[in-house]
Amino acid sequence: EAGVTQSPRYAVLQEGQAVSFWCDPISGHDTLYWYQQPRDQGPQLLVYFRDEAVIDNSQLPSDRFSAVRPKGTNSTLKIQSAKQGDTATYLCASSLYWGAYEQYFGPGTRLTVL
Amino acid sequence: GDSVTQTEGQVTVSESKSLIINCTYSATSIGYPNLFWYVRYPGEGLQLLLKVITAGQKGSSRGFEATYNKEATSFHLQKASVQESDSAVYYCALSDSSNTNKVVFGTGTRLQVLP
Repeated sequence: EAGVTQSPRYAVLQEGQAVSFWCDPISGHDTLYWYQQPRDQGPQLLVYFRDEAVIDNSQLPSDRFSAVRPKGTNSTLKIQSAKQGDTATYLCASSLYWGAYEQYFGPGTRLTVL
Repeated sequence: GDSVTQTEGQVTVSESKSLIINCTYSATSIGYPNLFWYVRYPGEGLQLLLKVITAGQKGSSRGFEATYNKEATSFHLQKASVQESDSAVYYCALSDSSNTNKVVFGTGTRLQVLP
């Protein structure tokens, strides 16, 4: 069984540029999460979905960040106008069903904003 | 809000020695949270090592153990004899028992095991 996949693995931007991160969860997993992990910190939940519905996006900096999961499978996280403070690793995770304890994480996308 | 504290950023232990990685939590908005240890081995994604959802219980996996101590609000990770292959970053985490999807992570402890 394939794990959670993410692309790209790395991204380097200038401030003000836009970037999108793509996530393919484990097949059949209905819940999908996006985390931001700054260097030397733990993952911090940004948004999560149950199927195609956003359940909680209260931690998304909504003016610049957006996330979609239109068919309840793959997901895209987009930063509209990146800032240096967005420098972090962006992790995608999925879980088999709503309320499952275990989350399965992808390898992450390391973003550097210059 | 809820939080998890890992006081050691890095721990270095010689192979075959015992290990303890400290974790304390604060769950101000919920009663008894679910508690987890996740691990990231070099070159791999974060993965669940063990979980305990009942206060007073112990979880174990791959020779590691952690006991849910609600009086001390602690969930320390222990291993009697570490191996070089245990070198990794370990994250303590919690979730609300009524909403297991929202997980709060600690800052992580990097374990280096010397041969």
